[in-house]
Amino acid sequence: DAKTTQPNSMESNEEEPVHLPCNHSTISGTDYIHWYRQLPSQGPEYVIHGLTSNVNNRMASLAIAEDRKSSTLILHRATLRDAAVYYCILRSSNDYKLSFGAGTTVTVRA
Amino acid sequence: DAGVIQSPRHEVTEMGQEVTLRCKPISGHDYLFWYRQTMMRGLELLIYFNNNVPIDDSGMPEDRFSAKMPNASFSTLKIQPSEPRDSAVYFCASSFISMNSPLHFGNGTRLTVT
Repeated sequence: DAKTTQPNSMESNEEEPVHLPCNHSTISGTDYIHWYRQLPSQGPEYVIHGLTSNVNNRMASLAIAEDRKSSTLILHRATLRDAAVYYCILRSSNDYKLSFGAGTTVTVRA
Repeated sequence: DAGVIQSPRHEVTEMGQEVTLRCKPISGHDYLFWYRQTMMRGLELLIYFNNNVPIDDSGMPEDRFSAKMPNASFSTLKIQPSEPRDSAVYFCASSFISMNSPLHFGNGTRLTVT
């Protein structure tokens, strides 16, 4: 499985943007970049995904580098409910499984 | 849709006993995944099914673990015999067959083996 590298933790203030980096230098052409998050005592929850172009949805934005070796998840205005572990995952179109790493623990200060 | 439904939410059992975890995927989904989460090892994929057929069980830790999907609306993960090191939260997830389809996770079953 292609690997991703994320910082262990990040802190943010409420209502400020959060930029979560992810490095995936060994990404292949068939890999999609997926982001999930896991709130305390819950199962992981889908956030966003992309292949080459930047993506926006109601939860977040995903900025993908031109060479695809890195990406950034952007939470535009963090709320206390955004405190979670955020996982950056490469999902290959050759199989459908998701392999989770350690993720980034995001803390939001009121 | 009620989402992915797992039962029980909590299970406490003694070492050596058989444990069966259950999962009802979202109706119409083609894929079903079983994960295990511990503090030490994080989220690990155990096995996944496509249209009720196991595709990859390389994550199943040992022969004590088995998973079945007798029909599109039900799957079980069985541990026999259970051991204390099996204590973890077990998640089930399902998705459509498209790469653009996200995984939908259940709320998990917290298993404690004493």
